[in-house]
Amino acid sequence: EIVLTQSPGTLSLSPGERATLSCRASQSVRSNYVAWYQQKPGQAPRLLMYDASTRATGIPARFSGSGSDTDFTLTISRLETEDFAVYYCQQYASPPWTFGHGTKVEI
Amino acid sequence: QVQLVQSGTEVKKPGSSVKVSCKDSGGSFSSSVINWLRQAPGQGPEWMGEINVKYDIANYAQKFKGRLTITADVSTSTGYMELTSLTSEDSVIYYCARRGGYMENWLDSWGQGTLVTVSS
Repeated sequence: EIVLTQSPGTLSLSPGERATLSCRASQSVRSNYVAWYQQKPGQAPRLLMYDASTRATGIPARFSGSGSDTDFTLTISRLETEDFAVYYCQQYASPPWTFGHGTKVEI
Repeated sequence: QVQLVQSGTEVKKPGSSVKVSCKDSGGSFSSSVINWLRQAPGQGPEWMGEINVKYDIANYAQKFKGRLTITADVSTSTGYMELTSLTSEDSVIYYCARRGGYMENWLDSWGQGTLVTVSS
């Protein structure tokens, strides 16, 4: 199974700053089949990005995704208060579909 | 818009079974692939399995084979996840989620989660 390692574990930033989250796969992820989710306390995950770089419906343009092969990145260009949350990457290239352990973006 | 609504909190005894439901109010249930995942505190989601509702074909993660059954009732637009032989390690939140892509398993709509507690 493909293991996803996210870094850093915690990112401490201020509103207006840029956030760069990393997701590294244990093997190549075909077709860049990587998704990113945002999760706030007590809520279900929310889809942000799929196919590594396609924003889901209703996701603001300050969120962007990039990467290929084994290295993927989620960037939040200018953090807003509502962006402080935990972010997970997921691969859907090879079953079982797996998730990283998350990066917490905190103030 | 797809909205998945799950059944409520469950408290179960070790060795028993739990069945969680997931009702789709979006109107496209019969053509959906519904996934089931679970999440322990402070951990990422863990995929358990999925069902292609149109063809009534389920796939399971190896870890859960033998004690997980995923089904769907098209007449009520409801999916079900049943897990047997429960232990304390099964005390986590369970989610249903709909596949967003045609073949690609990114998950664009999630239920609100169901807390299952296994305790004697």
